[in-house]
Amino acid sequence: KNQVEQSPQSLIILEGKNCTLQCNYTVSPFSNLRWYKQDTGRGPVSLTIMTFSENTKSNGRYTATLDADTKQSSLHITASQLSDSASYICVVSALSPGTYKYIFGTGTRLKVLA
Amino acid sequence: EAQVTQNPRYLITVTGKKLTVTCSQNMNHEYMSWYRQDPGLGLRQIYYSMNVEVTDKGDVPEGYKVSRKEKRNFPLILESPSPNQTSLYFCASSLSFGQLDAYEQYFGPGTRLTVT
Repeated sequence: KNQVEQSPQSLIILEGKNCTLQCNYTVSPFSNLRWYKQDTGRGPVSLTIMTFSENTKSNGRYTATLDADTKQSSLHITASQLSDSASYICVVSALSPGTYKYIFGTGTRLKVLA
Repeated sequence: EAQVTQNPRYLITVTGKKLTVTCSQNMNHEYMSWYRQDPGLGLRQIYYSMNVEVTDKGDVPEGYKVSRKEKRNFPLILESPSPNQTSLYFCASSLSFGQLDAYEQYFGPGTRLTVT
């Protein structure tokens, strides 16, 4: 069964600190992996997209890594800011003949405190 | 401005009263999709469309219908809403759904539906 699991479920850090969020997936056939940021009640906004041939992708203070062999990804946030408080969602694309689906993780809820 | 729009943003209705949530994008995208988001379950795909007149079921299609008669519009239809369809709904679109190319997926602002 295609699944995306994220950890931790929630995380509280102090402003200025770094943190790393984890994503493990069992999606086949794998197409690409995305990280989204979602503010409460709003639509997700893309942070990074990686295909199976990419190991790392950065977007400002956000850096995502992908290990296609172990089927793991991480999102590292550097020098956190209060505006980073949000849910972070890992999404894996499953592509096979006649099937074009996105499989979402349940997200990590990050709270950054002053 | 490139965007995905949804209407209405908020809707309270009663069981069994047919309703339609509209979704429109102005980016000439081929791929469009509907999701529902429930606490603890994350986003789940309801239906998607690869292009005009091409639609397919996602993971939770029961109780929903869609149509894609025009490229820009992808309405979600609930023929007989039930309380278990109370949820936050998102429409999204992307240029396509490629294997070697990863296309950006843009989400609408969401529609909060309550069925009593």
